[in-house]
Amino acid sequence: NAGVTQTPKFQVLKTGQSMTLQCAQDMNHNSMYWYRQDPGMGLRLIYYSASEGTTDKGEVPNGYNVSRLNKREFSLRLESAAPSQTSVYFCASSEKRGRDFNSPLHFGNGTRLTVT
Amino acid sequence: ELKVEQNPLFLSMQEGKNYTIYCNYSTTSDRLYWYRQDPGKSLESLFVLLSNGAVKQEGRLMASLDTKARLSTLHITAAVHDLSATYFCAVEWVGGSQGNLIFGKGTKLSVKP
Repeated sequence: NAGVTQTPKFQVLKTGQSMTLQCAQDMNHNSMYWYRQDPGMGLRLIYYSASEGTTDKGEVPNGYNVSRLNKREFSLRLESAAPSQTSVYFCASSEKRGRDFNSPLHFGNGTRLTVT
Repeated sequence: ELKVEQNPLFLSMQEGKNYTIYCNYSTTSDRLYWYRQDPGKSLESLFVLLSNGAVKQEGRLMASLDTKARLSTLHITAAVHDLSATYFCAVEWVGGSQGNLIFGKGTKLSVKP
């Protein structure tokens, strides 16, 4: 059971380049998330998708776009990378969230991105 | 806006000792999660706490939730080296259109012989 799979694992970009981080889950989860983790900052939510066909901004959405391609896949795009986007990016998924749903998030292994 | 504060941020313990990590949050929530992260690895779910007074235990770790005080604790009993990791609490923010998890900055635990 693969769980949440992220690609690539590592990436180095130059300022201004673009790239897409891919995420897929095989747990039939409704909700998917993108977080970034920076030293001393914990995890901060970039975007999330409550269900297929919907996406919403999180705490730090500027400079990013997302696509919920289908129920399994949720991609994160950096259109013009900046050094401030150097971080470790985690994709996560969970069952449907809301008042009556409360499952934990399942995380992928992360993508370590460096922007020079 | 929901803020989540953990303390301490760094904790160096000797094997066999007990200690507690604290997680305070700023607005009403009755759902709190604890995660563990090993260096260079992903986050692993440890506990899900869903109501006031909830207590969960797994091995040497015990988590509790006091929603009135907006406080959760993660208690470590007789620490062993294998518990060395970073521990995050995350609080579900139900103020928006759906619940989202807001994470604390993490507590880096180092257990030494």
